[in-house]
Amino acid sequence: AQTVTQSQPEMSVQEAETVTLSCTYDTSENNYYLFWYKQPPSRQMILVIRQEAYKQQNATENRFSVNFQKAAKSFSLKISDSQLGDTAMYFCAFMPSRGQNFVFGPGTRLSVLP
Amino acid sequence: NAGVTQTPKFQVLKTGQSMTLQCAQDMNHEYMSWYRQDPGMGLRLIHYSVGAGITDQGEVPNGYNVSRSTTEDFPLRLLSAAPSQTSVYFCASRRGDSPLHFGNGTRLTVT
Repeated sequence: AQTVTQSQPEMSVQEAETVTLSCTYDTSENNYYLFWYKQPPSRQMILVIRQEAYKQQNATENRFSVNFQKAAKSFSLKISDSQLGDTAMYFCAFMPSRGQNFVFGPGTRLSVLP
Repeated sequence: NAGVTQTPKFQVLKTGQSMTLQCAQDMNHEYMSWYRQDPGMGLRLIHYSVGAGITDQGEVPNGYNVSRSTTEDFPLRLLSAAPSQTSVYFCASRRGDSPLHFGNGTRLTVT
């Protein structure tokens, strides 16, 4: 069974600084997808970024980028120029390409401080 | 385009009561699922469906029933509510290998 681990239950960062959230996963699959979702206090689940395992290039979306290390089964999220609106729970998620279901990590609560 | 619509947003039940959480999507997604979110545990899969007439159990199915009579709707039924079912519930759908699209969640409290 696949598992996703987020070892940092809570983090904080000063506004305008950079922060990295860690995620590791365990799988025997070779092809899969990885995601980061953001959940602000509104409770809405918002897709931040997606990575296909067969792509070596790390995905980026504006201030958000990932460091995907397939051999190490690591998928960290870097947020640059942190903004107050980045305050949220962040969930790492895994989906095998042949499978149906997502597996989520326990989440990291990020606070951006003014 | 409404996306994934969940109702209600909040619900309080007494132990033993039953209720149905509604979920509808208008994106013609074949896959639909229900998750519960508890502190420190992330989102755990309750039930899922890969198409009308097909449902299957996820990680934590006990105490919940689902049905999928149409592509659009995927209701979640609590048969006899227990305090352990106090949680936030999310419905989510997707098509092919696209990311999950989530509803806005239901906060359920069982007293």
